[in-house]
Amino acid sequence: AQTVTQSQPEMSVQEAETVTLSCTYDTSESDYYLFWYKQPPSRQMILVIRQEAYKQQNATENRFSVNFQKAAKSFSLKISDSQLGDAAMYFCAYRSVRGSTLGRLYFGRGTQLTVWP
Amino acid sequence: GAVVSQHPSRVICKSGTSVKIECRSLDFQATTMFWYRQFPKQSLMLMATSNEGSKATYEQGVEKDKFLINHASLTLSTLTVTSAHPEDSSFYICSARPPGSSGYTFGSGTRLTVV
Repeated sequence: AQTVTQSQPEMSVQEAETVTLSCTYDTSESDYYLFWYKQPPSRQMILVIRQEAYKQQNATENRFSVNFQKAAKSFSLKISDSQLGDAAMYFCAYRSVRGSTLGRLYFGRGTQLTVWP
Repeated sequence: GAVVSQHPSRVICKSGTSVKIECRSLDFQATTMFWYRQFPKQSLMLMATSNEGSKATYEQGVEKDKFLINHASLTLSTLTVTSAHPEDSSFYICSARPPGSSGYTFGSGTRLTVV
């Protein structure tokens, strides 16, 4: 089974600064999707950004961008100009596109991000 | 955007009783729904995958008879916790993938407390 590792249980950042959350994964597949989800105190899971493995270009969504290194199986999330509302638990997730595990998401253990004013 | 509506958001029940949690896809048809359990400050653990019109697929270690899943229509999946015990207290979340989307939409979750 695929595994997703987030090695930073907690991170903190000053408002308006930049922070990078790390994620690595293990897979033998060549095609897949990667996601970052945000879970604020309300516990609603919110999609932050997604990356298709076949695309070399790193995904960007406003202040959020990823550094996707396929060979290294690394998928980090950069949050620029951090805002108080960015404070949440962030989960990295992997999704297969074929085979018996088609469709299911594999989650990392999460990184709790604190934003200081 | 696509919405998955989950109810109830909170429920308290007595030991030995059963509780039903509903997830509805409001503006798309979901042939597959995923059910997760989440303990405080931990990740989401996949419990089972429900498929419309067929039996659910349970993850290893999840009791099928305790966590009954029904996916009777393309817009409704239910999870029933039977004979609930305090150790079943947790946060339960459902999710589905809208057609044409690579990502998943999640319900708002149900906090179950068994007393």
